[in-house]
Amino acid sequence: GQQVQQSPASLVLQEGENAELQCNFSSTATQLQWFYQSPGGSLVSLLSNPSGTKHTGRLTSTTVTKERRSSLHISSSQTTDSGTYLCGRQVVGQLTFGRGTRLQVYA
Amino acid sequence: DMKVTQMPRYLIKRMGENVLLECGQDMSHETMYWYRQDPGLGLQLIYISYDVDSNSEGDIPKGYRVSRKKREHFSLILDSAKTNQTSVYFCASSLGTGVPYEQYFGPGTRLTVL
Repeated sequence: GQQVQQSPASLVLQEGENAELQCNFSSTATQLQWFYQSPGGSLVSLLSNPSGTKHTGRLTSTTVTKERRSSLHISSSQTTDSGTYLCGRQVVGQLTFGRGTRLQVYA
Repeated sequence: DMKVTQMPRYLIKRMGENVLLECGQDMSHETMYWYRQDPGLGLQLIYISYDVDSNSEGDIPKGYRVSRKKREHFSLILDSAKTNQTSVYFCASSLGTGVPYEQYFGPGTRLTVL
């Protein structure tokens, strides 16, 4: 089965709404990283959060290691947030990715 | 400014031709990676390099080989490319392989094999 599962597969929001993205992983991770992939394809690391809660700008990630899940909260979404959000679970340097959540934010 | 670069950005080759994809990083990172990304399959690890001449297979190494002769450069080689190797290839690097090292990604190379 898939080692990293993300939900929802896609999400459509009106600008200003909040987004909640989920990542579940099948075994313990030493590192959990959230990425943004632009419609053009470039990958940007957003947050690394192996456990606990971490904030940066409008992003908040909460990882509960023993429950093997992580979430990414985007507050006050903007049209420029549109793209795909990938969750990557790392064990000894090897990242396994989920298939992503495709987010579309309309004005 | 920390950076991972990839060359070329776009490449079209014919089946059976050799392909060389190059990756560089200016952060003196020990560990470097090659991934490919295909629709519906996500990103998959091809090879990982722990340092110069210290390479290890990832999840899908068949049909690929790698070379790392300098810490800042990591090459992916396709000997006799196949049409099913059409994909977007990403290179990444990290300081090491422990917590809390993040992976930094290059812009990707879109390879088409005809």
